[in-house]
Amino acid sequence: DAKTTQPNSMESNEEEPVHLPCNHSTISGTDYIHWYRQLPSQGPEYVIHGLTSNVNNRMASLAIAEDRKSSTLILHRATLRDAAVYYCIRFGNEKLTFGTGTRLTIIP
Amino acid sequence: EPEVTQTPSHQVTQMGQEVILRCVPISNHLYFYWYRQILGQKVEFLVSFYNNEISEKSEIFDDQFSVERPDGSNFTLKIRSTKLEDSAMYFCASSAAGGASTDTQYFGPGTRLTVL
Repeated sequence: DAKTTQPNSMESNEEEPVHLPCNHSTISGTDYIHWYRQLPSQGPEYVIHGLTSNVNNRMASLAIAEDRKSSTLILHRATLRDAAVYYCIRFGNEKLTFGTGTRLTIIP
Repeated sequence: EPEVTQTPSHQVTQMGQEVILRCVPISNHLYFYWYRQILGQKVEFLVSFYNNEISEKSEIFDDQFSVERPDGSNFTLKIRSTKLEDSAMYFCASSAAGGASTDTQYFGPGTRLTVL
């Protein structure tokens, strides 16, 4: 049980920002929120993670709600190469528990 | 940038045969994992490995499966007697910090196993 809820699919226009939501209402105080993505025919790839504060890296930003029951992955300027399945994962121990994720389609 | 590599990229075998899937983790990583993904389904955890022993395994990882780090660089998954339902993509992953909540796992490109 992945214990996170994400929309099955989303579409976005190329070069526009994308906001991918995730609900994790039963998250414990010590679980981090990790995002991975899986490009077509590839293995999962780490994107970003956070605990309470918003986080930025070269790939994306992560906005975490104050009550930590939800978070949003932000791709600031989507490109065709960002088309993938995006997984939001509560991570508290060794293993990653993947859900079905959000399939992001980028429209040229 | 260092990466996890896996061989072969595609393995076809007959039901009941043994297969060994090979992985070369990132060189300074100490924690190793196998996941699998049946076509059209979720990525599922199989096993984690640290300090030459299994640290956690899922219900999928039954007696037909074994893992080994035979030398300082390779990490293998053996399926002793393959079944049709073992057909899947098998991903190897490695990480530096194991169970730390801030840990990042790096995945290989996968081996597609087809059991006929």
